[in-house]
Amino acid sequence: DSGVTQTPKHLITATGQRVTLRCSPRSGDLSVYWYQQSLDQGLQFLIQYYNGEERAKGNILERFSAQQFPDLHSELNLSSLELGDSALYFCASSAGGGHYGYTFGSGTRLTVV
Amino acid sequence: TQLLEQSPQFLSIQEGENLTVYCNSSSVFSSLQWYRQEPGEGPVLLVTVVTGGEVKKLKRLTFQFGDARKDSSLHITAAQPGDTGLYLCAGTGNAGKSTFGDGTTLTVKP
Repeated sequence: DSGVTQTPKHLITATGQRVTLRCSPRSGDLSVYWYQQSLDQGLQFLIQYYNGEERAKGNILERFSAQQFPDLHSELNLSSLELGDSALYFCASSAGGGHYGYTFGSGTRLTVV
Repeated sequence: TQLLEQSPQFLSIQEGENLTVYCNSSSVFSSLQWYRQEPGEGPVLLVTVVTGGEVKKLKRLTFQFGDARKDSSLHITAAQPGDTGLYLCAGTGNAGKSTFGDGTTLTVKP
């Protein structure tokens, strides 16, 4: 157990639907990062939050949004889902700016049918 | 955009052999990490290197950061089947965001 909790572990949904992925960071970590991992694109950075505020944005689609709550847990919302959104979605956390590496959760496997 | 290239993409060796995997970029990083990922799980941090020319050892694994902080290598001595997995390097910039390479898939056969 890495200390980063992601739920659900698996999610199967239809095209056009909306889902919410949840992440609880390791105790004491203020930064949360979301990554998407697919077979053909590797780990792609989506977005970073630090203590409730958005810190950095990657190639996150407009159909995707995220937030970090006062208790530091984070949610990634994916809407108008397409087949190509099927992937593993990872949340990671770090104590500060991430310069010494991240602790990853075990991921949510999203399948869009 | 900072890109990291890892080589080789796939490596299959016999137990007991040595191997080296490489991580190269044209960008300078404030730090670089190596992770190991098993199927269906999240990457697990192995090491962070910060100083150009730095060498770190973790049992049979030796990590080196290039003098210019643009590249790194991971050397495994006497590989074991338990070393099998996807090895990812990640370069971290000043803002703390990490860019990942596509990884090296290592298979160690008994």
